[in-house]
Amino acid sequence: QQKVQQSPESLTVSEGAMASLNCTFSDGTSNNFRWYRQHSAKGLEVLVSIFSDGEKEEGRFTAHLNRANLHVSLHIREPQPSDSAVYLCAVSPSNTNKVVFGTGTRLQVLP
Amino acid sequence: DPKIIQKPKYLVAVTGSEKILICEQYLGHNAMYWYRQSAKKPLEFMFSYSYQKLMDNQTASSRFQPQSSKKNHLDLQITALKPDDSATYFCASSQPTVSGNTLYFGEGSRLIVV
Repeated sequence: QQKVQQSPESLTVSEGAMASLNCTFSDGTSNNFRWYRQHSAKGLEVLVSIFSDGEKEEGRFTAHLNRANLHVSLHIREPQPSDSAVYLCAVSPSNTNKVVFGTGTRLQVLP
Repeated sequence: DPKIIQKPKYLVAVTGSEKILICEQYLGHNAMYWYRQSAKKPLEFMFSYSYQKLMDNQTASSRFQPQSSKKNHLDLQITALKPDDSATYFCASSQPTVSGNTLYFGEGSRLIVV
C-alpha cells in the first residue's frame, strides 16, 4: 500500500525567503503527483501538478520530481504571510483513481 | 460561489446516533470521493465513486455507507456514532483523464461525537 511521508513536519521562514518542502513515496510506479494547500479548517486547493521527472512551475510554486529516488519536493519562492498553511503532497498510483495524501507540512511565514 | 457544497459545516452528535453528511458538486465531474481528517493524522481516503458506482473502499467499518442518489451527489451515512468518529469529513470530485486525476475539495463537515 502506498505510503507518503512529508518533511519537515513544520517549517518557519521569513517573508521573502525560499521555503522547501519534501515528500517521499513508496510506490515507484505512481505517475501523478500534486501539491495541495490547506488553510486552517478549510478545504484543499491544488497548487501544482507534475507527471514526469524534472521541474514544473506554477507561479511562485515549483515542484521537482525524482521518481528513481521516490521523492517530490515543493519550493515556494518569495513566500508571504498569506502562504501560512498546511501543505499536502498527493500521490496517485498509475492504475486507480485513488489519491493518497502525505502527513503534511505546516508552514508559517513570518512578516 | 463554491462548486462543491457540503452540509452541514459543523455537527455535534450523541454517541450511538446516526447522521448523514451531504455533498453536492457542480463541476460536472464523474468521480466523487470521501476523505476523513482527524487530529494529527493524514487526510485519509474512505471511498471513491465513479458514475455513481463504488470503485474503492478503504473504510473498515460498515457503519460508514456512501449514498449516491444523483450523479453529482455523494452523501455519507454514519450509524452507531462513536467518539472516535470525530473528524472533519471532506468530499471531493474529479474528472480523471489519461494525464491525471486532480481532486477538488469541499470545505468539509466537522463532526464532533460526544
